[in-house]
Amino acid sequence: DTGVSQDPRHKITKRGQNVTFRCDPISEHNRLYWYRQTLGQGPEFLTYFQNEAQLEKSRLLSDRFSAERPKGSFSTLEIQRTEQGDSAMYLCASSPGGRDNQPQHFGDGTRLSIL
Amino acid sequence: GNSVTQMEGPVTLSEEAFLTINCTYTATGYPSLFWYVQYPGEGLQLLLKATKADDKGSNKGFEATYRKETTSFHLEKGSVQVSDSAVYFCALRGSGGSNYKLTFGKGTLLTVNP
Repeated sequence: DTGVSQDPRHKITKRGQNVTFRCDPISEHNRLYWYRQTLGQGPEFLTYFQNEAQLEKSRLLSDRFSAERPKGSFSTLEIQRTEQGDSAMYLCASSPGGRDNQPQHFGDGTRLSIL
Repeated sequence: GNSVTQMEGPVTLSEEAFLTINCTYTATGYPSLFWYVQYPGEGLQLLLKATKADDKGSNKGFEATYRKETTSFHLEKGSVQVSDSAVYFCALRGSGGSNYKLTFGKGTLLTVNP
């Protein structure tokens, strides 16, 4: 049973560098979501894909952030010119299409630390 | 907009004690409600869900009932174990146009001592 896979698990980088994270959803899940979780808080929605189409971006997602899902399978989240405030856990989730009450399944996240 | 309010933690209990973690929500329409659990260093795991009023979600001895009249979805367990120590998140998914993204509470850290 393969769940949602995220890579890397941890990323440490210097302020100003670019970083890219990858998410592989559960196969045949056509919906994919990115969330950000800071220490002591619940996850906050960043963006949502249905197949390859990015249908919503949160205002939290500044123009330094970009997400893609080119073939409707895996997704990447890139942060350019990282800042201290970008330090967080970045979570990916996926769910099947169809009925709207299907739960989202989460990966273990990528923890980003900005030095 | 949608919002979720959870009781502040941390909560510390002895093994076999009764657990309640309060959760209330604000949303229009008929949201779906969820409890997720996060163990140290891991992502979120779905614990239970309820999709309409008066539904009771249950799993691994945990229960929560969707109460529309009080806009609540409190998590309960009759006898906690040390292995239940984790952070618990209440979440909702709205109905209508925003029926895909989850809105989470801040989480409640539960520590169960032997």
